[in-house]
Amino acid sequence: NAGVMQNPRHLVRRRGQEARLRCSPMKGHSHVYWYRQLPEEGLKFMVYLQKENIIDESGMPKERFSAEFPKEGPSILRIQQVVRGDSAAYFCASSPLGGRAYEQYFGPGTRLTVT
Amino acid sequence: AQTVTQSQPEMSVQEAETVTLSCTYDTSESDYYLFWYKQPPSRQMILVIRQEAYKQQNATENRFSVNFQKAAKSFSLKISDSQLGDAAMYFCAQSDDKIIFGKGTRLHILP
Repeated sequence: NAGVMQNPRHLVRRRGQEARLRCSPMKGHSHVYWYRQLPEEGLKFMVYLQKENIIDESGMPKERFSAEFPKEGPSILRIQQVVRGDSAAYFCASSPLGGRAYEQYFGPGTRLTVT
Repeated sequence: AQTVTQSQPEMSVQEAETVTLSCTYDTSESDYYLFWYKQPPSRQMILVIRQEAYKQQNATENRFSVNFQKAAKSFSLKISDSQLGDAAMYFCAQSDDKIIFGKGTRLHILP
């Protein structure tokens, strides 16, 4: 049973470009969480999605950031017009049921570098 | 609001010795979970140990154990017989519906 998969593992973007980060949850998991880790910081919650629904986006910046989890395919975290401050590691986690944060399994992360 | 505080940015311990990492948290919930995660240089988040708040017995996993003091909202991690492979960032975390992480403690193991 494959774990949570994220791609790409490393992504370099110039300022002003768009970044798309993908997360494929574990088989049988229908809930996805995105976290951001700035350098020398802990992970910070961004958004919680169920298939075709955003459940909690209280940690998501209001502008330039969006997330989706379609019925088919991976969850996507999209950052438009990236700035240097967006450079961070972005982690995805999945769980089998909603409201079960204690059963989250983390992916390996995507390291975004904005030049 | 949930908060998690790790007051030790860095710690060092001699190989084979015991070390304790501190963590305090704040939540208004009565039912929640507490975690310690290890993040090695590969950056993969590895769950070390998990504690359910309603269980009074402290969780243990081999050389890792916790001291959970619910009234004091304290959740420390003890690593016994430290090994070189234990060197990593350690994050304390608390969850009810989402996981809130502390800023981490970098643990060095001295050979």
